[in-house]
Amino acid sequence: NAGVMQNPRHLVRRRGQEARLRCSPMKGHSHVYWYRQLPEEGLKFMVYLQKENIIDESGMPKERFSAEFPKEGPSILRIQQVVRGDSAAYFCASRGTSRGYTFGSGTRLTVV
Amino acid sequence: ELKVEQNPLFLSMQEGKNYTIYCNYSTTSDRLYWYRQDPGKSLESLFVLLSNGAVKQEGRLMASLDTKARLSTLHITAAVHDLSATYFCAVDPLRESSGTYKYIFGTGTRLKVLA
Repeated sequence: NAGVMQNPRHLVRRRGQEARLRCSPMKGHSHVYWYRQLPEEGLKFMVYLQKENIIDESGMPKERFSAEFPKEGPSILRIQQVVRGDSAAYFCASRGTSRGYTFGSGTRLTVV
Repeated sequence: ELKVEQNPLFLSMQEGKNYTIYCNYSTTSDRLYWYRQDPGKSLESLFVLLSNGAVKQEGRLMASLDTKARLSTLHITAAVHDLSATYFCAVDPLRESSGTYKYIFGTGTRLKVLA
């Protein structure tokens, strides 16, 4: 079992470009969470998805951010027209029927 | 607003000393997690505390939970340099999250153990 796979590990984007972050949950897990960690801060909830559905996006910024978890393939967190303030580590976590998470290794986004 | 507060935020201690990190939360929760994060790395699960009075120990770390006081502690015994990391607590506010199981993380405690 490969665990929760996130890619890329590091991503550099220029201001105004798009960033796509991918998360493949653990085998058998159908619940995916995205969290953002700004430098020197704790993790903040962004969005919770199940296959083909967004369940809770209360932590997502209203503009430029979107997430999906299609029937086939990984979950995608998409950030359009990135700004310097989007620079952060983005962590994905998945769970099965229990409440406990498994975290991925994260994607570190740097906007230059 | 749901809050999870940790203190201290920064902790520098000598090897061999004992210390406690505190995690206070503002909502009812029947479950609390402790994680360790090394610089540039992901989160490593340390403890899951499931009920009032729960105590778990692993090596030099011991965690406890008091749900009535809404307080968890992470006690470090005879610290060693390898324990240097950032420690986070996280609350699963079952009632407020409407079954979504989204965690609320504390601010983190950055621990540095000096040789």
